[in-house]
Amino acid sequence: GAVVSQHPSRVICKSGTSVKIECRSLDFQATTMFWYRQFPKKSLMLMATSNEGSKATYEQGVEKDKFLINHASLTLSTLTVTSAHPEDSSFYICSARDRGREFFGPGTRLTVL
Amino acid sequence: QKEVEQNSGPLSVPEGAIASLNCTYSDRGSQSFFWYRQYSGKSPELIMSIYSNGDKEDGRFTAQLNKASQYVSLLIRDSQPSDSATYLCAMNRGNQFYFGTGTSLTVIP
Repeated sequence: GAVVSQHPSRVICKSGTSVKIECRSLDFQATTMFWYRQFPKKSLMLMATSNEGSKATYEQGVEKDKFLINHASLTLSTLTVTSAHPEDSSFYICSARDRGREFFGPGTRLTVL
Repeated sequence: QKEVEQNSGPLSVPEGAIASLNCTYSDRGSQSFFWYRQYSGKSPELIMSIYSNGDKEDGRFTAQLNKASQYVSLLIRDSQPSDSATYLCAMNRGNQFYFGTGTSLTVIP
């Protein structure tokens, strides 16, 4: 299957700082990537759809000014959590679709102190 | 009604038994169906995809799709403790993907 990478895999930051997470499709091009958040023992929650060369589409309840998404190339999307707070601590997972199937990155565990 | 419904479990089976995971969906227009496995603390991993009615086998895994009854299931034969995970079913309709909430499976040695 297609390979999606994420970096970093784990980040710990202080409250008020911003954190950038990168998502890359390694062996295919992805005009669209997806960002999910998952709290412990909860299901995946789609946050936003990242579109190459255009604005991201955010799900209801997700603050676009807090979760900045940039999809500057066909293989890279970034999610920046701005002014992070402890309640933003979660597992952030990106995905991309290749030939009709969705493949997930390994996830980034964010801990905000 | 949710697009995709799964019993959250937990489902426990003894080692060597068959684990049966089920998923129903609401839209007959759904085109493709997928099963993902998610280990604790890890991201989901695609293990099966099925597009037409009937059974699809891959090793110890068999996906079953019944579009008339709008359900898709996953059978795991000879279950192993390493199969213990949360299994997510997903369906695709056009450009939309819909995920179930997952069924937690524990295989008891």
